Amino acid sequence: NAGVTQTPKFRVLKTGQSMTLLCAQDMNHEYMYWYRQDPGMGLRLIHYSVGEGTTAKGEVPDGYNVSRLKKQNFLLGLESAAPSQTSVYFCASSYFGNSNQPQHFGDGTRLSIL
Amino acid sequence: GENVEQHPSTLSVQEGDSAVIKCTYSDSASNYFPWYKQELGKRPQLIIDIRSNVGEKKDQRIAVTLNKTAKHFSLHITETQPEDSAVYFCAARGGNNRLAFGKGNQVVVIP
Repeated sequence: NAGVTQTPKFRVLKTGQSMTLLCAQDMNHEYMYWYRQDPGMGLRLIHYSVGEGTTAKGEVPDGYNVSRLKKQNFLLGLESAAPSQTSVYFCASSYFGNSNQPQHFGDGTRLSIL
Repeated sequence: GENVEQHPSTLSVQEGDSAVIKCTYSDSASNYFPWYKQELGKRPQLIIDIRSNVGEKKDQRIAVTLNKTAKHFSLHITETQPEDSAVYFCAARGGNNRLAFGKGNQVVVIP
């Protein structure tokens, strides 16, 4: 049982480049989330999805886009990477968002923007 | 939205002693409070959680207490061991159904 899988694990980009981070879950979870983790800042929600075909903004959505074309996948896109987006990105999923179900996290993607 | 604060930022304890981390939250509608442990370079992992209709929950050496009136909840680790060294995050699910995380506490267990 893989749980939540994130690809890639590491990536270095130049300013202005674009890329997509992939999150896949095999637990049939409805809700999926993208967080960024910066030193001393905890986990901050970027975007989330309450089901296939839906997306919503979180706490820090600027500069990112997301898509949930399939229930098991949640993609995070950076159209024009900036150094401020250097961070560790975590994907998470849960059965539902309003039934006190825990969120399960992936291993993270470490992204550096030069 | 919900705002969660954690104190202290770093906690050092002697092996075998207890560690307590306290979090405060702002949204009185919050009803779910998980705690996550994150070891260096790894994913956050849920270690214990509590619902708002319960005041205390225990799982072996770990316990969580919730004071809804004062809007704070605490993680208690007894008989600490070196493998308890990690960053611990508290979170609260507010009225918007989203988890708000605290900034984390570094716990260092000194052998």
